[in-house]
This record gives sequence, structure tokens and C-alpha cells, in this order.
Amino acid sequence: EVQLVESGGGLVKPGGSLRLSCAAPGFSFSGYSMNWVRQAPGKGLEWVSSISSSSSYIYYADSVEGRFTISRDNAKNSLFLQMDSLSVEDTAVYYCTKDDGLKGYFQQWGQGTLVTVSS
Amino acid sequence: IQLTQSPSSLSASVGDRVTISCRASQGISTSLAWYQQKPGEAPKLLIFAASKLQTGVPSRFSGSGSGTDFTLTISSLQPEDFATYYCQQVKSYLYTFGQGTKVEIK
Repeated sequence: EVQLVESGGGLVKPGGSLRLSCAAPGFSFSGYSMNWVRQAPGKGLEWVSSISSSSSYIYYADSVEGRFTISRDNAKNSLFLQMDSLSVEDTAVYYCTKDDGLKGYFQQWGQGTLVTVSS
Repeated sequence: IQLTQSPSSLSASVGDRVTISCRASQGISTSLAWYQQKPGEAPKLLIFAASKLQTGVPSRFSGSGSGTDFTLTISSLQPEDFATYYCQQVKSYLYTFGQGTKVEIK
């Protein structure tokens, strides 16, 4: 069974950093692109970043470009999001998602981890 | 690529036919998905490639459209369908979502 389990969320001050992790047991992790999607409290979904199966292709939303870094460790079935220079606007639940292996549809979602940026 | 959903919210009764629209700012062929999100839960993929039903999704859900105009239809609304629905384009690698449509109980 596909499972995605995020961790690493918490409270951080503006300007601070946080590293999110997503454990992905239960499927052939190295064969799929992975993504981060966030949702600010009471708001809609916002795609944050994507990484291809071999890390050859990486994309970021304009809102996080230059501040966030996505990475993966296929040997450990894990996805990461390094978040630097955080601002209050980055406060959100962050979801790890697995795509369908073909077109990029988000076939599976984790339960999310809450990041709160506040002084 | 921007996606605009309409309406932003709607009220409907059990058994009603519900239609939600999603318009793209440029043509995306059929590179569109629909997701359902219930309060406190992660989103769930319902429809991909504009009209293909994800495994396990009830057949009362259907999708249509291509190019810039897309529709999600629930043929007979059930109590478990009250949720927020989002469209998403995957034509561009800079994926985007619509702003969401909340379906509430009348």
C-alpha cells in the first residue's frame, strides 16, 4: 500500500529555516516524480515544487524560488523540502504527493505537516 | 497558466445534479485533473486527463472538456460528496490549481 508520511513541521520565526521530510514506503519510490503542495489556513491548494525520479528535473513555484530546495534520497525512499528565509506567508499545511508516473497527476497524498511562521 | 473555477461555492441537496466549471487561461488539451477535499483531510484525485475516472471513484462523478473549458459533474449528489473541489492543470510543469469550489448542503 502506498504511504506518504510527512514530518518536520513546526513553529519557526520569520527569517528562519525548516526542513520537511516525507517517508515513502510501499512502492517503487525511485520510479516516480514527487511533489510538495501547500495549503494556507482556510485557503486553497498551491503547488510548491516538483522533482523527477532521478532528480534531473526540478521545478519551483515563483513564490518559493530561491528560498526552498527540493531533494530526494531514492536509497532511503525519502523526499525533502529545505525551506529558508521563511515568512508569515509560508504558513501552511505542506503535503507530499506522488505523481502517476506519466503525466504528473497527484495520485497519492500524505496527511500533511503544519508549518507556522510567527514571531 | 491560470485556472478559474466557478462558482466559488454552491448549495445543493442530496440527489441534485451538480456542475462545476474550470477555465484555463490558455489551451491545455486534456491535461486537467479534479480533486476532492473534505475538512481536515488531504485532497483525493477524482478525475485525470479531463475525463478519466480514478480507480475506486464512484461513477456518479464525471469530467469533460478540452482546450480551455472543463466541467466536473456529480450526477446525483450524495451526503459524502459535500466537500471542496479543485481543478489542476499539468500541461505546464509549473502546475497550478483553481481556487476551489465548496459544495455545501442546502
